[in-house]
Amino acid sequence: EIVLTQSPGTLSLSPGETATLSCRASQSVSSSTLAWYRQKPGQAPRLLIYGSSSRATGIPDRFSGSGSGTDFTLTISRLEPEDFAVYYCQQYGSSGGTFGQGTKVEIK
Amino acid sequence: EVQLVQSGAEVKKPGESLKISCKASGYSFTSYWIDWVRQMPGKGLEWMGSIYPGDSDTRYSPSFQGQVTISADRSSGTAYLQWSSLQASDTAMYYCARLTFVYYDFWGHGTLVTVSS
Repeated sequence: EIVLTQSPGTLSLSPGETATLSCRASQSVSSSTLAWYRQKPGQAPRLLIYGSSSRATGIPDRFSGSGSGTDFTLTISRLEPEDFAVYYCQQYGSSGGTFGQGTKVEIK
Repeated sequence: EVQLVQSGAEVKKPGESLKISCKASGYSFTSYWIDWVRQMPGKGLEWMGSIYPGDSDTRYSPSFQGQVTISADRSSGTAYLQWSSLQASDTAMYYCARLTFVYYDFWGHGTLVTVSS
């Protein structure tokens, strides 16, 4: 079973700054199976990035994903108020869906 | 427009049974897997299992195998998650989500299940 470990647990930043979130897999995964989601308080998660680097419909280009093998990154440029939320990486394989434990981006 | 509309919040006692629903619209219900995801209070997302309504193929996470039952009704375009005997530890928000290839492109709004004596 693949385990996804996200870091840091919490990121304290100011609006306008850049957030860099990491997702590390316990074994190599296909980049086509790695996705990122944002969950605002009281809301369902929303797909941001799929295939490790493709933006979902309606997602601004401030969001970018990269990585391969075991190390993946979500970068959020020019943080806006709605970006302060929890972010999850997710990988789908033979064992079904696996989520990282989440990174909270909070206002500094 | 793709929509997944989940049933309303539930308050149950330990030992009671429960079936929550996720009604799909705006796409071919039988052509996509529907997954269920648990989120315990203040915690992260956990994959519970999946169903392919086209042939009712069902898969479960080992953590949830035998604890819940996932089903679907093709005639109404609705997926279900049920428990035969709830425990306090089942208190959580439950989301259904459509699986497209290997990612979840549409989510329901969630059903809050509270189990308390």
